[in-house]
Amino acid sequence: DTEVTQTPKHLVMGMTNKKSLKCEQHMGHRAMYWYKQKAKKPPELMFVYSYEKLSINESVPSRFSPECPNSSLLNLHLHALQPEDSALYLCASSQPSGRANDNEQFFGPGTRLTVL
Amino acid sequence: EDKVVQSPLSLVVHEGDTVTLNCSYEVTNFRSLLWYKQEKKAPTFLFMLTSSGIEKKSGRLSSILDKKELFSILNITATQTGDSAVYLCAVLYNQGGKLIFGQGTELSVKP
Repeated sequence: DTEVTQTPKHLVMGMTNKKSLKCEQHMGHRAMYWYKQKAKKPPELMFVYSYEKLSINESVPSRFSPECPNSSLLNLHLHALQPEDSALYLCASSQPSGRANDNEQFFGPGTRLTVL
Repeated sequence: EDKVVQSPLSLVVHEGDTVTLNCSYEVTNFRSLLWYKQEKKAPTFLFMLTSSGIEKKSGRLSSILDKKELFSILNITATQTGDSAVYLCAVLYNQGGKLIFGQGTELSVKP
């Protein structure tokens, strides 16, 4: 299995809702990532998990809460989002090389999020 | 501030043409440079370049890195309509797995 899968494909939520995005990979990768991509812009890193521990948080607002329950799964919990948070949320994973995470990242298809 | 800059931002060519996409970077703690192709959804991995001067090839695509001049190029020969996409260049930092992307080059190949 050489895929990163993400669910749901599309999500529409109100500003008071709580929802979660899910990401799964079965490639044995031990680093997983969340990116946010606005229209016509490149992906921007949000979080990095390395060996199931949060290693990088790019100053992301607390209304986004990541969770890595095990080495194959990565969640992003959403609460009290704003309309400007509407974007494509991409998950990625990479093969470990020691603890440097210095191998290529493979991306999932993304979740298209709309916040009303 | 670290940055990755791609040029051109957009490009329209006809099938059969050869194109060269450029990526320059100013990044402390550089590890590797990666190229991705993005169509509708997920960026798909093309190349990872870590050493200077070694060309990587995959079919009609090739890429090379110059660590002295801090740039990379992606060449596509005999372009096809299926090559139409946004091509993203990204720099991988030395530790932690952080990737920063350039703005992308939007390539449109006309029949």
